[in-house]
Amino acid sequence: NAGVTQTPKFRVLKTGQSMTLLCAQDMNHEYMYWYRQDPGMGLRLIHYSVGEGTTAKGEVPDGYNVSRLKKQNFLLGLESAAPSQTSVYFCASSYMSGGAMGEQFFGPGTRLTVL
Amino acid sequence: DQQVKQNSPSLSVQEGRISILNCDYTNSMFDYFLWYKKYPAEGPTFLISISSIKDKNEDGRFTVFLNKSAKHLSLHIVPSQPGDSAVYFCAASVDDMRFGAGTRLTVKP
Repeated sequence: NAGVTQTPKFRVLKTGQSMTLLCAQDMNHEYMYWYRQDPGMGLRLIHYSVGEGTTAKGEVPDGYNVSRLKKQNFLLGLESAAPSQTSVYFCASSYMSGGAMGEQFFGPGTRLTVL
Repeated sequence: DQQVKQNSPSLSVQEGRISILNCDYTNSMFDYFLWYKKYPAEGPTFLISISSIKDKNEDGRFTVFLNKSAKHLSLHIVPSQPGDSAVYFCAASVDDMRFGAGTRLTVKP
């Protein structure tokens, strides 16, 4: 039981390049999330999904796209990377969206640097 | 618009003493509150939670207190241990979850 895994762990991009971050969970959770963590800002929600085939915008969605083609996978794409997207990205999943069943399980993170 | 605030970026305590981490929130609609713990190079892990219908929840050395009138949440760790050294995030949810900026706790032997 791996929980939540993220690929890759580290990546360096040049401005304007594109990439996709992959998140996978084996807990059969309906809800999945992408966050970014920046110093002094905590975790900010980028996009989330309430089930296979659905996506929705979070607090800071600009410059990112997501897809949830399979229940266990949630992809985060950067079409044209910018230095402001240098951050640590965390994927999370949960059984429900709030309350006692809304506990989120996090992946280990992806450290992205955009030069 | 930071709806969840942790105003102390860092806290240092001696092993065996009490650690108190504080969190304030602005949205009175939040109905569930959580604390997450994060070690370097790892993702956050759930620590303890409390529903808005309660004012205290205890789990071993960890106790979370909720003061709804003050919109204030605190985490008490007693006794503190060096292994508790980590970043602690406060989170609050109604439909989605909002996180504070985190407090780095250092427990000195």
